[in-house]
Amino acid sequence: DIQMTQSPSSLSASVGDRVTITCQASQDINNYLNWYQQKPGKAPKLLIYDASNLETGVPSRFSGSGSGTDFTFTISSLQPEDIATYYCQQYDNLPITFGQGTRLEIK
Amino acid sequence: EVQLVESGGGLIQPGGSLRLSCAASGFTVSYNYMSWVRQAPGKGLEWVSLIYPGGSTYYADSVKGRFTISRDNSKNTLYLQMNSLRAEDTAVYYCARLFYGGNHREYDYWGQGTLVTVSS
Repeated sequence: DIQMTQSPSSLSASVGDRVTITCQASQDINNYLNWYQQKPGKAPKLLIYDASNLETGVPSRFSGSGSGTDFTFTISSLQPEDIATYYCQQYDNLPITFGQGTRLEIK
Repeated sequence: EVQLVESGGGLIQPGGSLRLSCAASGFTVSYNYMSWVRQAPGKGLEWVSLIYPGGSTYYADSVKGRFTISRDNSKNTLYLQMNSLRAEDTAVYYCARLFYGGNHREYDYWGQGTLVTVSS
């Protein structure tokens, strides 16, 4: 199975800050990497697909980059409504696997 | 408008069985890759199962031999039959569509989730 290692596991930042989350795959996943946002009590929401493509309707302050085994998710200017847990997910091989999540809080 | 609505969760004793349903609207379940993903209380997301449009099915090792994914094309509904339930199966179960777009695949639509609690 492909292991997805996300860091940090939690993060506290101020409104307006630039926030970066990393995700490392245990093997090359050919950019088959998605990022999701999950707010408490809600289903996950797709933000970024194929490592760097912004899902329709998602604010442009969200972005993704990376290739091979190392990927980055960035919020350029943190907003109060961005408080959530963020997950990376690979689909290069079954089983589909998720990172352990990054809980983002407002400082 | 695309919508996925899960039902069938509840409290069940260890060793028992439960069938989850996921009624879809706005698209055809049988033409799409459909999945179940679960989330134990306070934990992360765990992929459970996947069914291809052609009918092939795949399972996480943790549920293989106990869970069965299926669909009813006439009802446009996805199912997850869960047998021999264990305490560690306690989770919110989400159904989700795995969209295949060229060379990328992503879970673009999710249900609201249904809670399964396995406890005596």
